[in-house]
Amino acid sequence: RKEVEQDPGPFNVPEGATVAFNCTYSNSASQSFFWYRQDCRKEPKLLMSVYSSGNEDGRFTAQLNRASQYISLLIRDSKLSDSATYLCVVNSWPYNQGGKLIFGQGTELSVKP
Amino acid sequence: GAVVSQHPSWVICKSGTSVKIECRSLDFQATTMFWYRQFPKQSLMLMATSNEGSKATYEQGVEKDKFLINHASLTLSTLTVTSAHPEDSSFYICSARDLGAGELQPQHFGDGTRLSIL
Repeated sequence: RKEVEQDPGPFNVPEGATVAFNCTYSNSASQSFFWYRQDCRKEPKLLMSVYSSGNEDGRFTAQLNRASQYISLLIRDSKLSDSATYLCVVNSWPYNQGGKLIFGQGTELSVKP
Repeated sequence: GAVVSQHPSWVICKSGTSVKIECRSLDFQATTMFWYRQFPKQSLMLMATSNEGSKATYEQGVEKDKFLINHASLTLSTLTVTSAHPEDSSFYICSARDLGAGELQPQHFGDGTRLSIL
């Protein structure tokens, strides 16, 4: 089983749609969680961290369920510029104790006019 | 914000050539840098963790004699792909950890190097 698993995708949605990505992780000791965005042939860029209480940043909402080891990302009112691959990323143990990031395979999103 | 510079961004060379990729943290000190590889349609796979002043820690399955890592200063790590072959063609990305930034910004990524071996 992969350490971090995501929806296979691709997701093809019209502008203005709401789209949700799901992710599960296998290591219950994981400490911190992130969503990254990666454009084609580019480096990944941090989209948002994911907190236990859930957090929102504009049109983006992230949720974490530690009991189920499940992370989600919701994008509302999707824009053409949201087209990218979204990577679920888990840090295996506390950041300041040498943790390393484990990346999911990514879910491709294509927003159409 | 913190910036990581990676050079070169694109390399095309003949089979058997050794290729060096540099990763620099421009405005912070990075005691730890990471080297990833990404094949098309796949996620980033950690190759090794580079620690300033000590030997790199390689992930299982990554040949340390094939991928030489040097982290001689707090702002520079290099990855040398020795005697590269077509199967080494990939997107190589480095990242650096800024301990002062905390967990909200775990790593800063370089722009990546696209390596094509003919």
